[in-house]
Amino acid sequence: EPEVTQTPSHQVTQMGQEVILRCVPISNHLYFYWYRQILGQKVEFLVSFYNNEISEKSEIFDDQFSVERPDGSNFTLKIRSTKLEDSAMYFCAGGRDSYNEQFFGPGTRLTVL
Amino acid sequence: AQKVTQAQTEISVVEKEDVTLDCVYETRDTTYYLFWYKQPPSGELVFLIRRNSFDEQNEISGRYSWNFQKSTSSFNFTITASQVVDSAVYFCALSEAGHSGAGSYQLTFGKGTKLSVIP
Repeated sequence: EPEVTQTPSHQVTQMGQEVILRCVPISNHLYFYWYRQILGQKVEFLVSFYNNEISEKSEIFDDQFSVERPDGSNFTLKIRSTKLEDSAMYFCAGGRDSYNEQFFGPGTRLTVL
Repeated sequence: AQKVTQAQTEISVVEKEDVTLDCVYETRDTTYYLFWYKQPPSGELVFLIRRNSFDEQNEISGRYSWNFQKSTSSFNFTITASQVVDSAVYFCALSEAGHSGAGSYQLTFGKGTKLSVIP
């Protein structure tokens, strides 16, 4: 059964550094999402992506964040200058239709020191 | 305003007991979707069930069942004959059309209910 994959599983970085989180969605999915979960808290929506452009973004997704689907398979989240409060688990998700269930990757734990 | 409320923060049950997880949601949309996801200690988010706003028929799937009531904006989830492997955090989520009209339906999650099943 196809799965969403994410790399790396854990990323440690210094404050102010750029990080790129990578995701490979399920091949027949058309809608892609990034969510984050600060330790012990609820999962929060960051951004949705469809037809090679952002379709919706939350207040969290400020100018420090960007997403890209450079080659039709990878889906990346870039944080330009990380802050301590960016430390969280970042989940990539995808779905065939906009309203169907979203399938999540295993997450990347980002630790900003 | 909180759109998805899971009032139970933590629940403990003894194995083989039934357990119901509560979820109350808030939306102005007439078309929306409700989900339950499970997050075991390993951290991944596992899709369990989905319900459309226009279909209030309640169903049973194995040991899982759900009770969707639009009149009270509730979408409760029941695990029958709980097992130790059911120990996890369970999230209720609401999906509405995005404001941009681009058709994305981001998920709004509740804060989760941590279920511990004691052997």
